[in-house]
Amino acid sequence: NAGVTQTPKFRVLKTGQSMTLLCAQDMNHEYMYWYRQDPGMGLRLIHYSVGEGTTAKGEVPDGYNVSRLKKQNFLLGLESAAPSQTSVYFCASSRDRGILAKNIQYFGAGTRLSVL
Amino acid sequence: KNQVEQSPQSLIILEGKNCTLQCNYTVSPFSNLRWYKQDTGRGPVSLTIMTFSENTKSNGRYTATLDADTKQSSLHITASQLSDSASYICVVSAGSSNTGKLIFGQGTTLQVKP
Repeated sequence: NAGVTQTPKFRVLKTGQSMTLLCAQDMNHEYMYWYRQDPGMGLRLIHYSVGEGTTAKGEVPDGYNVSRLKKQNFLLGLESAAPSQTSVYFCASSRDRGILAKNIQYFGAGTRLSVL
Repeated sequence: KNQVEQSPQSLIILEGKNCTLQCNYTVSPFSNLRWYKQDTGRGPVSLTIMTFSENTKSNGRYTATLDADTKQSSLHITASQLSDSASYICVVSAGSSNTGKLIFGQGTTLQVKP
């Protein structure tokens, strides 16, 4: 049971380049999330999905797009990378909705992205 | 503004010693509070989740307390081990069950030395 798997683990981009981060979960969870983690700050929600074919904006969605074509996969895209998007990106999934106490989010190992 | 503040920012202790990490929050309406452990290079892993009515919850050598009146929580680690070296993140849930969100603290970095 792999849980939540993120690929790639590391990536270096030049300003203006595009890329897609892939998140896959094998727990049959309905809800999936993308966060970014920056030094000295708490995790911030970029986008999330409440089920296959759905996406919604989080706290910091600008410059990112997402897609959830299959229940087990959640893709995060950067169309034109900027240095401000240098960060560690975490994907998470959960069985239950929102902020309920039973909503345990399971996180992937993260993708370290540097934009030069 | 909903905020979660953790202290200290970092902490170094000797193996076998106890320590306590603090979390203060200004979140309304409060739903629940979680503590996560994040090892270097890994994603956060849930340690405990406490609702408004719970004052304390344990997970092995980790004990979390919650004082909803003062809006404070603490995470106590007993008989620390080298494997406890990690970042500990306090997360508070705010809002209703359908529209609420999780607010993450910036974390406390704990280093346990032999």
